[in-house]
Amino acid sequence: RKEVEQDPGPFNVPEGATVAFNCTYSNSASQSFFWYRQDCRKEPKLLMSVYSSGNEDGRFTAQLNRASQYISLLIRDSKLSDSATYLCVVRFSGGYNKLIFGAGTRLAVHP
Amino acid sequence: NAGVTQTPKFRVLKTGQSMTLLCAQDMNHEYMYWYRQDPGMGLRLIHYSVGEGTTAKGEVPDGYNVSRLKKQNFLLGLESAAPSQTSVYFCATTRADRVTGELFFGEGSRLTVL
Repeated sequence: RKEVEQDPGPFNVPEGATVAFNCTYSNSASQSFFWYRQDCRKEPKLLMSVYSSGNEDGRFTAQLNRASQYISLLIRDSKLSDSATYLCVVRFSGGYNKLIFGAGTRLAVHP
Repeated sequence: NAGVTQTPKFRVLKTGQSMTLLCAQDMNHEYMYWYRQDPGMGLRLIHYSVGEGTTAKGEVPDGYNVSRLKKQNFLLGLESAAPSQTSVYFCATTRADRVTGELFFGEGSRLTVL
C-alpha cells in the first residue's frame, strides 16, 4: 500500500466550477501536510500547507482530518490557469525533512 | 538569482553508459535531495545530503551514487545505466534551520536509457 494515495484523475471541470481533491495517508506518525502544484513538464512548487484547523488561501481551502488520516484541497471558481497536477505531501519528523509525495491528481479546467 | 539549476536538462544514454547529473544552488541551503519521478508514482527520494561532505540513502538508492564536496553542489551519478533508470530527475533544496515542507526544486533532468 502506498504511504500517500490520491485519485489520479483527471478531473475535467469548466471554468468557475468548484472541485475537491482527496488524499489519504497510511502512517499515523505523519507530522505535517502540504499541497504542491506541478505544471506539465515543470517542477513541483509548494501551493499551501495544511493546518489541523483548516486553512484558506484565496480560492483554495485545505483541510486535515487526523482521525481518518485524510487531507483535502478545495478549489473554488476554477480558472484555466489552475490546470495542473496537485501533489499531496506528508512530512515526517526526522533530521532531514523527510517528505513523502503522492502521485498527484490531474486537473484540467476548460472554457 | 538562479535558485536551483540542474544540468543537463535532457540526456539519452545507452545501457551500461555512465553519466553525472549536477545540481547547483545559490540559496545557501544546507539540505539537498535527489528525487526521481515516474508516471503514476510520486516523487521518490534517491539520496540526500544534510551538509557539505555528507550523503545518505533515500528510498530508492540502488544504481546511483552521490557526492557533495561543496555546499552549493550535489552530484548524482549513474555508473552503469539501465532502462529502469529512465525517468525525470529532480534536485531540491531546503534550509536546515527552518525545516518545513517547502522544498525548492530545479527544473528537472529528463533521462532516457535505451
